[in-house]
Amino acid sequence: NAGVTQTPKFQVLKTGQSMTLQCAQDMNHNSMYWYRQDPGMGLRLIYYSASEGTTDKGEVPNGYNVSRLNKREFSLRLESAAPSQTSVYFCASSGLRGTEAFFGQGTRLTVV
Amino acid sequence: DAKTTQPPSMDCAEGRAANLPCNHSTISGNEYVYWYRQIHSQGPQYIIHGLKNNETNEMASLIITEDRKSSTLILPHATLRDTAVYYCIVRVAGSNFGNEKLTFGTGTRLTIIP
Repeated sequence: NAGVTQTPKFQVLKTGQSMTLQCAQDMNHNSMYWYRQDPGMGLRLIYYSASEGTTDKGEVPNGYNVSRLNKREFSLRLESAAPSQTSVYFCASSGLRGTEAFFGQGTRLTVV
Repeated sequence: DAKTTQPPSMDCAEGRAANLPCNHSTISGNEYVYWYRQIHSQGPQYIIHGLKNNETNEMASLIITEDRKSSTLILPHATLRDTAVYYCIVRVAGSNFGNEKLTFGTGTRLTIIP
């Protein structure tokens, strides 16, 4: 049982490049989330998806797009990376109200 | 949305109980209180959650006041491995019916002193 799997674990991009962060969960959870965490800061919600086919903006959605491909997968896309997007990105999933969320181990992204 | 307030940092002696407070004075009746921790730069780890009653599991105890406006996470016998940032969050409803989102604050950095 892998839980929440994120790929890649590390990535370096040049300013203006694009990339997609992948996230998959094998717990049959309805809700999935993308967060970013800057050095010394707490987690900030970028986007979330309550179910397949639905997505909603979080606190810091600018510069990102998401896609809930199916119930298992939730991807985060940076169309034109900027140095301000250098951060650690975490994906999470959760079940119904009252159940806990499970996090992936993060993707460390550096934009130069 | 209910907000939480936590002290930015705390110290606790190894082997003693660590008591981490959280204020959530605007919590609504059907919102749960969750606690997570983050060790170094790993993904956050679930600890415990509750609605009204006090809860206990193998990791910790959660004490929620009767008015539900505050709670305390108790690590009964803190070890050095409990050094981490601890987040108290409430489960909030999103913009669409049935949507849920987790919103983290800045947490409490707990340092266990040998």
